[in-house]
Amino acid sequence: QSALTQPASVSGSPGQSITISCTGTTYDVGGYNHVSWYQQHPGKAPKLIIYGVNKRPSGVSNRFSGSKSANTASLTISGLQAEDEADYYCNSYTLQSDWVFGGGTKLTVL
Amino acid sequence: QVHLVQSGAEAKKPGASVKVSCKASGYPFSSYFFHWVRQAPGQGLEWMGMLNPTGGRTKYAQKFQGRVTMTRDTSASTVYMELTSLTLEDTAVYYCARDPIEAFDVWGQGTMVTVSS
Repeated sequence: QSALTQPASVSGSPGQSITISCTGTTYDVGGYNHVSWYQQHPGKAPKLIIYGVNKRPSGVSNRFSGSKSANTASLTISGLQAEDEADYYCNSYTLQSDWVFGGGTKLTVL
Repeated sequence: QVHLVQSGAEAKKPGASVKVSCKASGYPFSSYFFHWVRQAPGQGLEWMGMLNPTGGRTKYAQKFQGRVTMTRDTSASTVYMELTSLTLEDTAVYYCARDPIEAFDVWGQGTMVTVSS
């Protein structure tokens, strides 16, 4: 199972919005709504921020939102804050009953 | 409060095996699946496999088939991940995570496994 495709890096200024894409195939992202996103700060465990394509766990800021179109899922962060600087990973269920992560995107807040 | 607490760091020689534990608390142990995910230094997350604590059924990533075994001890609310025939490329932080919603909502703190000759 190949990793989902994410941009290696994105950047934005405080207050701006950014979007991170996650491209897969009809056998994973395009075929299921089990797409989730994780935020990871250096030296820390990942944190779930979006599940089921566009649902937010309790306690996660509404500045984080998710969507999907065909084989590509997207994470949008609005009103960028310094604390949003982190690595972001998408994840999807697959046809083989496996789970696959994206390669990760490093977000820099300028 | 839900917690997953993992065992401590391990240092192993190539060819050896390692067994990492993950103790759950704060919820009914058998209610949700567990996953194991690893992260090599400076690299991304890699899914290794999953275990259903009710019955112990497992599903492993093809890459680890034949080298990984995931088990559980329901009396201790603990799941285990054993990886055999270690190579230098297995040096990584290994995480367990809980799955109640087809997503990994609670993660352990991670266990560093270093393979070095």
